[in-house]
This record gives sequence, structure tokens and C-alpha cells, in this order.
Amino acid sequence: AQSVTQLDSQVPVFEEAPVELRCNYSSSVSVYLFWYVQYPNQGLQLLLKYLSGSTLVKGINGFEAEFNKSQTSFHLRKPSVHISDTAEYFCAVSGGGSNYKLTFGKGTLLTVNP
Amino acid sequence: DGGITQSPKYLFRKEGQNVTLSCEQNLNHDAMYWYRQDPGQGLRLIYYSQIVNDFQKGDIAEGYSVSREKKESFPLTVTSAQKNPTAFYLCASSQDRTTEAFFGQGTRLTVV
Repeated sequence: AQSVTQLDSQVPVFEEAPVELRCNYSSSVSVYLFWYVQYPNQGLQLLLKYLSGSTLVKGINGFEAEFNKSQTSFHLRKPSVHISDTAEYFCAVSGGGSNYKLTFGKGTLLTVNP
Repeated sequence: DGGITQSPKYLFRKEGQNVTLSCEQNLNHDAMYWYRQDPGQGLRLIYYSQIVNDFQKGDIAEGYSVSREKKESFPLTVTSAQKNPTAFYLCASSQDRTTEAFFGQGTRLTVV
């Protein structure tokens, strides 16, 4: 069975500081990994995804994530955050083989303070 | 415009009644999903479907049922067996396992 663990439920940071949101996954097969963002009172939007190849993937709004197979991690980073980055961030894993199951973590609320 | 439509946005039901939430997509996607979102719980998968006339249980399927008779439609029924049905329900679709999942605007169900 696949699962996703987001290690921090809330991350407060000051504007222009760097941030890392942590995600670990478990699966018995190769998986595809995603980060989504949900702004207040809006739907979910894809930030970036890892399918294969380079372990460092770049997404929208200056976010990037690094896939680490040995540590089963897919942490999201941004070198300098803005007030507008305040939102909830979800890590997700899609099953390998022919399995279309898409499992999300519990989310991390990023709050950027002035 | 292509997208996913969930209706209604708000739904109220009395305890003990079954209720069906609608989800329609015009993106020609093969896969469709139902999630429940509760504060602090993230998105929990209820059911998913990879193809018409086939669906799989997710992590919290008890008390829910679905059908996939048409590619564009994936309705969710919340039955009276669901012990805590009040929640925000999200429907999503994707072309396959590697592509972005698109979400509807959600249905907030309140059972009184």
C-alpha cells in the first residue's frame, strides 16, 4: 500500500526567507510524485511533478523539489518566499504499475509573515 | 471551457438519508477520483475509477458508493451507513497516472 507523510502540519516563516516543506512516501513499486497548492477558498493547483530522470524538478512560482529514492523523500523548497505564497501545500503519490491510485498527504499550511 | 463540475456547492440532508453528489468532466479524462477533505486530515481517497464501468475502493470507502456508467460522469452516494458524513467533498480527474489531476470546486455536505 502506498502512503504519504508530510512531517509538518504548519510552517510559519518571514517574507523573503527560504522554506522547505517535507514529504516522505512509502510504496512497494516505483511511483510518481506531485506537489499541489491550495490557496484559501480555491481548488488545488499543480506546482510540480517527478516522473523520472533528473531528481531536481522545477515548478511554478519559483518552487522546486528534490526526489531522493534512498530516503523516499520529495521535499519542496523555495529560496525566498512572498506573502502570496501563504497557502496549504499537499504532497501526493501516484501508484506504479497499472494502478491509478492517487494518494495525498495531510497537507502543510505555509504562513508567510511580513 | 473544459473542466470539472461538481454540484451542488452546498448540500444539507437529514441524518439517515442517502445523498448523491454529482461530478461531471468534459476533459475526456480516463481517471476520476473522489476525496473527502476535513481540517487537519488532508485529502482522503474514497473511490477512484480508471475506466468506464470499473472503480476501486480508496482508503475510506465504507459508507460510500459510486458508479461509472459514462466516461464523463462519476457520481458519489453518501449512504446512511457513513457515520460522519458532514465534510467537504472534492472530485478530480486525470488522463493517466503521470498527468496533473484537475479538481472541481467541491461540495460541502452538512448532515443534521
